[in-house]
Amino acid sequence: DGGITQSPKYLFRKEGQNVTLSCEQNLNHDAMYWYRQDPGQGLRLIYYSQIVNDFQKGDIAEGYSVSREKKESFPLTVTSAQKNPTAFYLCASSITGVTDNQPQHFGDGTRLSIL
Amino acid sequence: EDQVTQSPEALRLQEGESSSLNCSYTVSGLRGLFWYRQDPGKGPEFLFTLYSAGEEKEKERLKATLTKKESFLHITAPKPEDSATYLCAVKTSRGNSGNTPLVFGKGTRLSVIA
Repeated sequence: DGGITQSPKYLFRKEGQNVTLSCEQNLNHDAMYWYRQDPGQGLRLIYYSQIVNDFQKGDIAEGYSVSREKKESFPLTVTSAQKNPTAFYLCASSITGVTDNQPQHFGDGTRLSIL
Repeated sequence: EDQVTQSPEALRLQEGESSSLNCSYTVSGLRGLFWYRQDPGKGPEFLFTLYSAGEEKEKERLKATLTKKESFLHITAPKPEDSATYLCAVKTSRGNSGNTPLVFGKGTRLSVIA
């Protein structure tokens, strides 16, 4: 089945630790996105990428990093500089990127908590 | 600044009791409005895209409409399985290149009681 796979489903981070969230898509979509969702808040954009080897910061990029070495993959690293990382993280992809009006399709998220 | 406001925050309906959810927006040039459904612990599921005022889209018990200032998601004779959070998002033409990601509202949490 075509779709977006996020792993792990649950992740725990210790103080001072970097953790990486995986996002893989087999939809052949050009653009990929990372959002953070907190209770009572809308989705907030962390980073997005329109093509391989290129990405842009979203509204809340501080404390996060990404890479886009392959079209199918867009991993997100939550660094120790992110002081409030507890949240639900969602990865999405779309056909032609932010210049078009195609809908974004989402994975089922990773819930990150601090130990 | 582009803003998307959804109301009400939460809505509780009896099975079969029709109602509407609202999404009002203040943006610099609307290029598309999107409705999603999100179940607890899951990612949002795409429902509809609306592009211009007067446009309507339907899917089963759901009907989305768009005006120049807001969109409505009408739910006709809802069932308990329609319980979910419904998210609204807009794409705007703000910026030199027009490359703007989606701006999301905070969602409406719908509960349908049997």
